Amino acid sequence: DSGVTQTPKHLITATGQRVTLRCSPRSGDLSVYWYQQSLDQGLQFLIQYYNGEERAKGNILERFSAQQFPDLHSELNLSSLELGDSALYFCASSGLGTGDIAGELFFGEGSRLTVL
Amino acid sequence: GQNIDQPTEMTATEGAIVQINCTYQTSGFNGLFWYQQHAGEAPTFLSYNVLDGLEEKGRFSSFLSRSKGYSYLLLKELQMKDSASYLCAAFNDYKLSFGAGTTVTVRA
Repeated sequence: DSGVTQTPKHLITATGQRVTLRCSPRSGDLSVYWYQQSLDQGLQFLIQYYNGEERAKGNILERFSAQQFPDLHSELNLSSLELGDSALYFCASSGLGTGDIAGELFFGEGSRLTVL
Repeated sequence: GQNIDQPTEMTATEGAIVQINCTYQTSGFNGLFWYQQHAGEAPTFLSYNVLDGLEEKGRFSSFLSRSKGYSYLLLKELQMKDSASYLCAAFNDYKLSFGAGTTVTVRA
């Protein structure tokens, strides 16, 4: 158990719809990362937040948005869903305290999104 | 931008050694990481290198040459449970960017 919690674990929806994925980081971790993993692609970095602020952005579509709240949980919003958005979405967190390794991410179990 | 290359698949026998190579090109560099991912599960951290050289952690070792943009992960005394995807990842500018992964199949 990494200590990172993601909900929902599975989600089935239709094209054109909007969904929200939620992530609670490990206790004490200020950084949250979002990744997308499709069957034919590796882990694609979407976005990273640190203590509520966006710090790094990957190839995140304009239809996708994220935020990190004061309690450090994060949400990834996916709108106008397309068939190609079907994927496993991972959230990960990391700490930057003494003893932490920058780049050592702790991943949640993922949210599997199926768009029909 | 990032460009991280690693072989797609490798097969080895139980008890053997396998070396997974990774080459990378990044606009900045703060470390090279290796993660293991079993099918349908979350990636888990295995090893990392910031400086050139070899880091050993039990049956797993990782090597880095920054001048060559090259790393490898060495898995020794392979066990059936080591069958998984191994992901090479470069850390820079607060981002951890992953390669496509190498699927290792361990055969009895």
